[in-house]
Amino acid sequence: GESVGLHLPTLSVQEGDNSIINCAYSNSASDYFIWYKQESGKGPQFIIDIRSNMDKRQGQRVTVLLNKTVKHLSLQIAATQPGDSAVYFCAEVDSGTYKYIFGTGTRLKVLA
Amino acid sequence: EAGVTQFPSHSVIEKGQTVTLRCDPISGHDNLYWYRRVMGKEIKFLLHFVKESKQDESGMPNNRFLAERTGGTYSTLKVQPAELEDSGVYFCASSQEGLAGQNEQFFGPGTRLTVL
Repeated sequence: GESVGLHLPTLSVQEGDNSIINCAYSNSASDYFIWYKQESGKGPQFIIDIRSNMDKRQGQRVTVLLNKTVKHLSLQIAATQPGDSAVYFCAEVDSGTYKYIFGTGTRLKVLA
Repeated sequence: EAGVTQFPSHSVIEKGQTVTLRCDPISGHDNLYWYRRVMGKEIKFLLHFVKESKQDESGMPNNRFLAERTGGTYSTLKVQPAELEDSGVYFCASSQEGLAGQNEQFFGPGTRLTVL
């Protein structure tokens, strides 16, 4: 498996608090966005997605916000739990090419 | 249903040697992708197969990398000869054709390649 990158931006939050992870994307033609969670030793796992015709989408404890004007995406995790500790990646997708472009990733640390 | 599997999970080789990574996609998925993540950096696209055909190989770093998907099932990624900068984690993903091109990709656990 893969160890967590040493130089990733890190967000530390207290258990039970809300977490907000941000991502800037680059391609104006991207029309689909996905958040992935990667735990140590595992591959990225799908969390939530959003299409460009929406600005907010909610899942279970997670919300994704999309601001196309400034090309910004955020992932909000409510009541953060120890099991949420992982590296989170955003991906932008141009549905014309199907190509996923990933961000650098943010490491989320949940403090007990 | 089994997810995407990759073999081996780890590989340590010396510079100049050859390594072959294998990916078994989810059964029935026509699309297969290879990605690479160098330590601490973003996950970068390498190439995309649709069945046995290379749809897009624009991310392949150089001609030391050769990907194949004979028969449109599993895929191999060979690095020959390996260089130090090839170290990283190689992910494979697969997907079905989705609506309006929005096809969720399911990732394997990755192969961690270390070139010494």
